[in-house]
Amino acid sequence: EAGVAQSPRYKIIEKRQSVAFWCNPISGHATLYWYQQILGQGPKLLIQFQNNGVVDDSQLPKDRFSAERLKGVDSTLKIQPAKLEDSAVYLCASSPRQGARTNEKLFFGSGTQLSVL
Amino acid sequence: GQNIDQPTEMTATEGAIVQINCTYQTSGFNGLFWYQQHAGEAPTFLSYNVLDGLEEKGRFSSFLSRSKGYSYLLLKELQMKDSASYLCAVRDTTDSWGKFQFGAGTQVVVTP
Repeated sequence: EAGVAQSPRYKIIEKRQSVAFWCNPISGHATLYWYQQILGQGPKLLIQFQNNGVVDDSQLPKDRFSAERLKGVDSTLKIQPAKLEDSAVYLCASSPRQGARTNEKLFFGSGTQLSVL
Repeated sequence: GQNIDQPTEMTATEGAIVQINCTYQTSGFNGLFWYQQHAGEAPTFLSYNVLDGLEEKGRFSSFLSRSKGYSYLLLKELQMKDSASYLCAVRDTTDSWGKFQFGAGTQVVVTP
């Protein structure tokens, strides 16, 4: 079974530039997540999709971050414009379905390491 | 609210045992997960506890006490490849979607 695919693996940009990350979840997984992981910290949820609808984006800095999941499969996360503090690893994860009463785990992609100079 | 605490770093010798503690405070709870994350790689699932008690999986075991808001991950017969960060995560049932909240991770260093 193919895992969660992410690209690019690494990205270096200057502050105020734009950047986009792509994620392809495991086939059939309804729920997709984007996490931000700053060095030395645990992953922090940015946005959660159920199929192609957003169910939680409470911690997404909406003035500069945007995400979409068209057709309920692939997803892109964009930062425009980037700030120095956006330097982090951006992890995409998926799970078959979601709900507070399920016990399903998250499957993570390898992440995109972003450096903002 | 949500608060997950775990030690920042632990060091142990190859062949030894290490116990990583995790305490949490949640508004709602439906499960505690442990993930392993090697440097520069994605977190990978290790274990899941939703009921009190011990779950054993080979060299790794995880324990949960819901009344105490406490879990631990036990790594036995440590190997060099076990050097990694170990993330404690709780599924919060405050909303119907069951959000995952992660601790900051415990960096385990295994020495020869």
